[in-house]
Amino acid sequence: SQKIEQNSEALNIQEGKTATLTCNYTNYSPAYLQWYRQDPGRGPVFLLLIRENEKEKRKERLKVTFDTTLKQSLFHITASQPADSATYLCALPPSGSARQLTFGSGTQLTVLP
Amino acid sequence: DSGVTQTPKHLITATGQRVTLRCSPRSGDLSVYWYQQSLDQGLQFLIQYYNGEERAKGNILERFSAQQFPDLHSELNLSSLELGDSALYFCASSVDRTGGVDTQYFGPGTRLTVL
Repeated sequence: SQKIEQNSEALNIQEGKTATLTCNYTNYSPAYLQWYRQDPGRGPVFLLLIRENEKEKRKERLKVTFDTTLKQSLFHITASQPADSATYLCALPPSGSARQLTFGSGTQLTVLP
Repeated sequence: DSGVTQTPKHLITATGQRVTLRCSPRSGDLSVYWYQQSLDQGLQFLIQYYNGEERAKGNILERFSAQQFPDLHSELNLSSLELGDSALYFCASSVDRTGGVDTQYFGPGTRLTVL
């Protein structure tokens, strides 16, 4: 069955630096991949979607890449700020006819002032 | 504000009891999803409804059940509650266009505490 792994449970970086989060998947050929942000005690919020035929997608300080050969997506936050501190989840559609997303366990990002 | 509403925000109850969580999806969304998130755990998909019918089931216990009503709001019923059922329960909704890409919009969640 498909499996999603996000690189580490926690990532600490200094304000102003670029944060890079990794999402790897196996046994899977998704048509797209999504990234969500979740703050403590709150519901996830959709950030970006990238399709299998797109190499890169940008939105303000966010950039997502999608390498279907490596079966990996990278999520970058440039010029990071303490307000970017949150848990970031990648999500992929399942194979087959079911349409629910499968979420990774998330990476908790802390941006230190 | 995602447009998805959930009530109540907090619920404290005792073991063995039964509770009902309610969700109203965004206007126009036909799909409703329920998730459970225990402390420091990932999102666990429970069940999906589409336009009143069950579409997909995840790791939902037999003690749990859900339904979606004609006005598209949904209820998640949890019975014979155990301490381990304490968690955040999220509802999400999406348009769910056939053959298209969907994005899920999450509600603020209901925090359930079983004592």
